Amino acid sequence: EDQVTQSPEALRLQEGESSSLNCSYTVSGLRGLFWYRQDPGKGPEFLFTLYSAGEEKEKERLKATLTKKESFLHITAPKPEDSATYLCAVQAGDSWGKLQFGAGTQVVVTP
Amino acid sequence: AAGVIQSPRHLIKEKRETATLKCYPIPRHDTVYWYQQGPGQDPQFLISFYEKMQSDKGSIPDRFSAQQFSDYHSELNMSSLELGDSALYFCASRRAGGETGELFFGEGSRLTVL
Repeated sequence: EDQVTQSPEALRLQEGESSSLNCSYTVSGLRGLFWYRQDPGKGPEFLFTLYSAGEEKEKERLKATLTKKESFLHITAPKPEDSATYLCAVQAGDSWGKLQFGAGTQVVVTP
Repeated sequence: AAGVIQSPRHLIKEKRETATLKCYPIPRHDTVYWYQQGPGQDPQFLISFYEKMQSDKGSIPDRFSAQQFSDYHSELNMSSLELGDSALYFCASRRAGGETGELFFGEGSRLTVL
């Protein structure tokens, strides 16, 4: 059975203090690993797709990387507006968009 | 830009009642997904529709049913509601030719069962 585990559960950062979130996965044939951001009471917002080990994607202060067993989301010099829950997900089975999410990492960035 | 529209945003029902949630996907998006997110939990896939046909099914209770109509909007019908059905229900859509996991989520419908 596919499994997605995220760590840490919560992360409190000072503004400008860079850090990394981890997502380890066990899937039978990775068809894509996805990062989403979710603000409280809102729907998840798509950030990145990674397909193969060694791939990297960047967007503003965020950089996602992928190895054969895990993915990292690096937050460089975070700002308070980066505060959110970051969800990692893998495609479950053959169906596009049928995602299995991890429990998420709640990030709080204080000024 | 147009986003996924869900209604109602909030819904309060009693146990054993019925609820219907509606979703209007982004224009020209051909696939609609329903996810359920319980308090403090990650979103769980319920069901999806591609071009008005059910394309996949997840952990959706038999008490729930869904369909997609000719105008591509979708409805999730929930009957014999239980306390455990209280959750945020998200609809998401995916555009034809888009990345496999790039879903556009709505703001969600919060269902509270008393």
